[in-house]
Amino acid sequence: RKEVEQDPGPFNVPEGATVAFNCTYSNSASQSFFWYRQDCRKEPKLLMSVYSSGNEDGRFTAQLNRASQYISLLIRDSKLSDSATYLCVVMFGTGFQKLVFGTGTRLLVSP
Amino acid sequence: NAGVTQTPKFRVLKTGQSMTLLCAQDMNHEYMYWYRQDPGMGLRLIHYSVGEGTTAKGEVPDGYNVSRLKKQNFLLGLESAAPSQTSVYFCASRPSGNRGLSGRDNEQYFGPGTRLTVT
Repeated sequence: RKEVEQDPGPFNVPEGATVAFNCTYSNSASQSFFWYRQDCRKEPKLLMSVYSSGNEDGRFTAQLNRASQYISLLIRDSKLSDSATYLCVVMFGTGFQKLVFGTGTRLLVSP
Repeated sequence: NAGVTQTPKFRVLKTGQSMTLLCAQDMNHEYMYWYRQDPGMGLRLIHYSVGEGTTAKGEVPDGYNVSRLKKQNFLLGLESAAPSQTSVYFCASRPSGNRGLSGRDNEQYFGPGTRLTVT
């Protein structure tokens, strides 16, 4: 089983739609969780961290379910500029904390 | 601040040739990393460094060597390139660990990547 699993997509949605991605992780000792965004042929950039209580940043909402070992990302009112690949990232370990990246979920927002 | 920079941006090598990829960061970060990204595989850690003069193996270190002689630079070497090393290579850095379990304290800053093709 992969340490971090994501549906590769693509998710094709019209502008203004709401879309949600899930990500599952296998290591129950995972400590921190993140969503990164990666545009085509560019480097990944941090979109948001995921807190146990859930957190929101504008149109983006992240949730964590430790019992079921998954995290989610909800995007409301999708924009064309949201088209990208969204990487789920999990951190665990003491001392050197290892980050494990999912393979990403591709989102395509159309006019 | 330039952030994290990588040179070169593109390179084509023949099997058996050697090369060095340079990563530089101007954020005074302690931790630096080299990843490779292949289709359907996600980012995989090659080597990392937790400070000047230290390096350690990551998930896929075979065929690569690294050096961290200066805090701001992290070099990735391919001694004898193989077609299996065709990939996009990303360098990343972040402040030293244990600054909090979440949030921007743990953000990794990535360089723009190096696209390497080995024929």
